[in-house]
Amino acid sequence: EAQVTQNPRYLITVTGKKLTVTCSQNMNHEYMSWYRQDPGLGLRQIYYSMNVEVTDKGDVPEGYKVSRKEKRNFPLILESPSPNQTSLYFCASSLSQGRMETQYFGPGTRLLVL
Amino acid sequence: AQKVTQAQTEISVVEKEDVTLDCVYETRDTTYYLFWYKQPPSGELVFLIRRNSFDEQNEISGRYSWNFQKSTSSFNFTITASQVVDSAVYFCALSENSGYSTLTFGKGTMLLVSP
Repeated sequence: EAQVTQNPRYLITVTGKKLTVTCSQNMNHEYMSWYRQDPGLGLRQIYYSMNVEVTDKGDVPEGYKVSRKEKRNFPLILESPSPNQTSLYFCASSLSQGRMETQYFGPGTRLLVL
Repeated sequence: AQKVTQAQTEISVVEKEDVTLDCVYETRDTTYYLFWYKQPPSGELVFLIRRNSFDEQNEISGRYSWNFQKSTSSFNFTITASQVVDSAVYFCALSENSGYSTLTFGKGTMLLVSP
Protein backbone atom coordinates (compact mmCIF):
# COMPACT_ATOMS: atom_id res chain seq x y z
CA GLU A 1 0.00 0.00 0.00
CA ALA A 2 1.33 3.39 -1.02
CA GLN A 3 1.78 5.46 2.09
CA VAL A 4 3.73 7.93 4.16
CA THR A 5 4.53 6.70 7.65
CA GLN A 6 5.64 8.65 10.69
CA ASN A 7 7.00 7.52 14.02
CA PRO A 8 6.26 8.00 16.75
CA ARG A 9 2.61 8.99 16.48
CA TYR A 10 2.58 10.46 19.98
CA LEU A 11 5.48 11.81 22.00
CA ILE A 12 5.80 13.55 25.34
CA THR A 13 9.23 14.92 26.16
CA VAL A 14 10.94 17.55 28.27
CA THR A 15 12.60 20.78 27.30
CA GLY A 16 16.08 20.29 25.86
CA LYS A 17 15.96 16.55 25.26
CA LYS A 18 16.88 15.88 21.64
CA LEU A 19 14.34 13.94 19.62
CA THR A 20 13.84 12.68 16.11
CA VAL A 21 10.58 12.07 14.29
CA THR A 22 10.99 9.68 11.41
CA CYS A 23 9.20 9.88 8.09
CA SER A 24 9.26 7.29 5.36
CA GLN A 25 7.47 6.93 2.04
CA ASN A 26 7.26 3.91 -0.23
CA MET A 27 6.18 5.68 -3.41
CA ASN A 28 9.65 6.62 -4.72
CA HIS A 29 8.69 10.28 -4.37
CA GLU A 30 11.37 12.87 -4.95
CA TYR A 31 9.84 15.65 -2.87
CA MET A 32 9.30 15.47 0.88
CA SER A 33 8.27 18.07 3.37
CA TRP A 34 7.48 18.71 7.05
CA TYR A 35 4.63 20.82 8.35
CA ARG A 36 3.38 21.77 11.76
CA GLN A 37 -0.26 22.38 12.57
CA ASP A 38 -1.29 24.72 15.35
CA PRO A 39 -4.78 25.86 16.37
CA GLY A 40 -5.83 28.98 14.52
CA LEU A 41 -2.71 28.93 12.33
CA GLY A 42 -3.39 26.08 9.93
CA LEU A 43 -0.43 24.19 8.53
CA ARG A 44 2.94 25.82 8.09
CA GLN A 45 5.90 24.36 6.29
CA ILE A 46 9.06 23.73 8.30
CA TYR A 47 11.50 22.24 5.80
CA TYR A 48 11.34 20.56 2.45
CA SER A 49 13.56 18.42 0.29
CA MET A 50 13.64 18.34 -3.48
CA ASN A 51 15.69 15.16 -3.58
CA VAL A 52 18.44 13.27 -1.80
CA GLU A 53 20.89 15.65 -0.10
CA VAL A 54 18.83 18.68 -1.19
CA THR A 55 16.93 20.41 1.61
CA ASP A 56 15.71 23.94 2.19
CA LYS A 57 13.87 26.01 4.77
CA GLY A 58 10.16 26.56 4.72
CA ASP A 59 8.23 29.21 6.60
CA VAL A 60 9.06 28.20 10.18
CA PRO A 61 12.44 26.40 10.26
CA GLU A 62 13.79 27.78 13.56
CA GLY A 63 14.58 25.06 16.06
CA TYR A 64 14.44 22.22 13.55
CA LYS A 65 16.87 20.24 11.45
CA VAL A 66 16.32 17.73 8.68
CA SER A 67 18.36 15.38 6.57
CA ARG A 68 17.74 13.47 3.36
CA LYS A 69 20.33 10.74 3.02
CA GLU A 70 17.98 8.31 1.30
CA LYS A 71 15.12 9.01 -1.03
CA ARG A 72 12.51 7.31 1.13
CA ASN A 73 13.40 8.87 4.50
CA PHE A 74 13.18 12.43 5.76
CA PRO A 75 13.63 12.66 9.54
CA LEU A 76 12.81 15.80 11.52
CA ILE A 77 15.24 16.56 14.31
CA LEU A 78 14.61 18.80 17.29
CA GLU A 79 18.03 19.32 18.87
CA SER A 80 16.72 21.15 21.95
CA PRO A 81 12.93 21.08 22.04
CA SER A 82 11.05 23.90 23.71
CA PRO A 83 7.39 24.14 24.78
CA ASN A 84 6.57 26.33 21.78
CA GLN A 85 7.33 23.33 19.59
CA THR A 86 4.37 21.48 21.04
CA SER A 87 2.34 20.82 17.94
CA LEU A 88 0.94 18.31 15.47
CA TYR A 89 3.55 17.47 12.85
CA PHE A 90 2.93 16.13 9.38
CA CYS A 91 5.31 14.70 6.86
CA ALA A 92 4.29 14.82 3.20
CA SER A 93 5.65 13.63 -0.11
CA SER A 94 4.95 14.14 -3.78
CA LEU A 95 6.15 12.52 -6.94
CA SER A 96 8.35 15.37 -8.06
CA GLN A 97 9.34 18.84 -7.05
CA GLY A 98 6.82 20.41 -9.40
CA ARG A 99 4.45 22.82 -7.73
CA MET A 100 1.48 21.14 -9.33
CA GLU A 101 2.12 17.81 -7.71
CA THR A 102 -0.25 16.62 -5.05
CA GLN A 103 1.32 16.16 -1.64
CA TYR A 104 0.31 13.08 0.30
CA PHE A 105 0.47 13.31 4.05
CA GLY A 106 1.48 10.95 6.80
CA PRO A 107 -0.81 10.26 9.78
CA GLY A 108 0.73 12.99 11.95
CA THR A 109 2.83 13.05 15.12
CA ARG A 110 1.50 14.77 18.23
CA LEU A 111 4.35 16.24 20.23
CA LEU A 112 4.10 17.68 23.73
CA VAL A 113 7.17 19.41 25.13
CA LEU A 114 7.00 20.01 28.88
CA ALA B 1 3.10 36.76 -1.31
CA GLN B 2 0.59 33.98 -1.60
CA LYS B 3 -2.25 33.80 0.87
CA VAL B 4 -5.30 31.62 1.44
CA THR B 5 -8.27 32.81 3.45
CA GLN B 6 -10.98 30.57 4.82
CA ALA B 7 -13.22 33.06 6.54
CA GLN B 8 -15.54 30.46 8.05
CA THR B 9 -13.92 29.12 11.18
CA GLU B 10 -16.72 26.73 12.03
CA ILE B 11 -19.96 25.66 10.37
CA SER B 12 -22.71 23.56 11.89
CA VAL B 13 -25.40 21.91 9.80
CA VAL B 14 -27.95 19.20 10.19
CA GLU B 15 -27.62 16.04 8.16
CA LYS B 16 -28.90 16.29 4.57
CA GLU B 17 -28.35 20.01 4.39
CA ASP B 18 -26.11 21.39 1.65
CA VAL B 19 -23.10 23.35 2.83
CA THR B 20 -20.50 25.50 1.06
CA LEU B 21 -17.02 26.10 2.38
CA ASP B 22 -15.41 29.28 1.10
CA CYS B 23 -11.83 29.72 0.00
CA VAL B 24 -10.32 32.96 -1.28
CA TYR B 25 -6.72 33.13 -2.40
CA GLU B 26 -4.14 35.74 -3.31
CA THR B 27 -1.26 35.22 -5.71
CA ARG B 28 0.76 37.21 -8.18
CA ASP B 29 1.44 34.20 -10.36
CA THR B 30 -0.63 33.42 -13.41
CA THR B 31 0.09 29.73 -13.01
CA TYR B 32 -0.88 28.20 -9.71
CA TYR B 33 -2.60 25.20 -8.21
CA LEU B 34 -5.37 24.92 -5.69
CA PHE B 35 -6.10 22.02 -3.39
CA TRP B 36 -8.64 20.89 -0.84
CA TYR B 37 -7.77 18.53 1.99
CA LYS B 38 -10.00 16.94 4.62
CA GLN B 39 -8.90 16.31 8.19
CA PRO B 40 -11.35 14.01 10.00
CA PRO B 41 -11.35 13.73 13.80
CA SER B 42 -8.76 10.95 13.56
CA GLY B 43 -6.28 13.61 12.46
CA GLU B 44 -4.90 12.48 9.11
CA LEU B 45 -4.97 14.75 6.07
CA VAL B 46 -6.85 13.37 3.09
CA PHE B 47 -6.38 14.84 -0.37
CA LEU B 48 -9.68 15.73 -2.07
CA ILE B 49 -8.94 17.69 -5.23
CA ARG B 50 -6.31 19.60 -7.20
CA ARG B 51 -7.09 22.30 -9.73
CA ASN B 52 -4.73 24.34 -11.90
CA SER B 53 -5.28 27.98 -12.71
CA PHE B 54 -6.02 27.35 -16.37
CA ASP B 55 -8.88 24.99 -15.71
CA GLU B 56 -11.93 26.87 -14.52
CA GLN B 57 -14.33 24.04 -15.10
CA ASN B 58 -16.31 23.16 -12.05
CA GLU B 59 -15.91 19.63 -10.83
CA ILE B 60 -18.32 17.20 -9.25
CA SER B 61 -17.42 14.01 -7.45
CA GLY B 62 -20.40 12.33 -5.89
CA ARG B 63 -21.78 14.66 -3.23
CA TYR B 64 -18.76 16.95 -3.52
CA SER B 65 -18.45 19.81 -5.97
CA TRP B 66 -15.97 22.61 -6.44
CA ASN B 67 -16.53 26.05 -7.95
CA PHE B 68 -13.38 27.75 -9.20
CA GLN B 69 -13.75 31.41 -10.18
CA LYS B 70 -10.60 33.29 -11.14
CA SER B 71 -12.49 36.57 -11.39
CA THR B 72 -13.13 36.49 -7.65
CA SER B 73 -10.05 34.41 -6.71
CA SER B 74 -12.25 31.83 -5.08
CA PHE B 75 -12.26 28.06 -4.97
CA ASN B 76 -15.34 27.07 -3.02
CA PHE B 77 -16.30 23.58 -1.95
CA THR B 78 -19.89 22.37 -1.66
CA ILE B 79 -21.11 19.22 0.03
CA THR B 80 -24.59 18.21 -1.04
CA ALA B 81 -26.83 16.29 1.33
CA SER B 82 -24.25 16.36 4.10
CA GLN B 83 -23.67 13.32 6.30
CA VAL B 84 -22.28 12.90 9.78
CA VAL B 85 -19.14 11.36 8.28
CA ASP B 86 -18.45 14.68 6.56
CA SER B 87 -17.67 16.20 9.95
CA ALA B 88 -14.05 17.29 9.69
CA VAL B 89 -11.76 20.25 9.26
CA TYR B 90 -11.35 21.21 5.64
CA PHE B 91 -8.28 23.00 4.35
CA CYS B 92 -7.86 24.92 1.15
CA ALA B 93 -4.27 25.27 -0.09
CA LEU B 94 -2.39 27.11 -2.83
CA SER B 95 0.79 26.29 -4.65
CA GLU B 96 2.36 28.95 -6.82
CA ASN B 97 4.62 28.27 -9.76
CA SER B 98 7.42 30.24 -8.15
CA GLY B 99 8.69 30.79 -4.64
CA TYR B 100 10.32 28.44 -2.20
CA SER B 101 7.34 27.31 -0.17
CA THR B 102 5.26 24.95 -2.16
CA LEU B 103 1.96 24.78 -0.30
CA THR B 104 0.27 27.57 1.58
CA PHE B 105 -2.71 26.48 3.63
CA GLY B 106 -5.71 28.38 4.84
CA LYS B 107 -6.51 28.10 8.53
CA GLY B 108 -9.24 25.58 7.90
CA THR B 109 -13.00 25.37 8.36
CA MET B 110 -14.41 22.98 10.91
CA LEU B 111 -17.61 21.39 9.66
CA LEU B 112 -19.89 19.74 12.16
CA VAL B 113 -22.76 17.71 10.76
CA SER B 114 -25.26 16.60 13.35
CA PRO B 115 -27.85 13.83 12.91
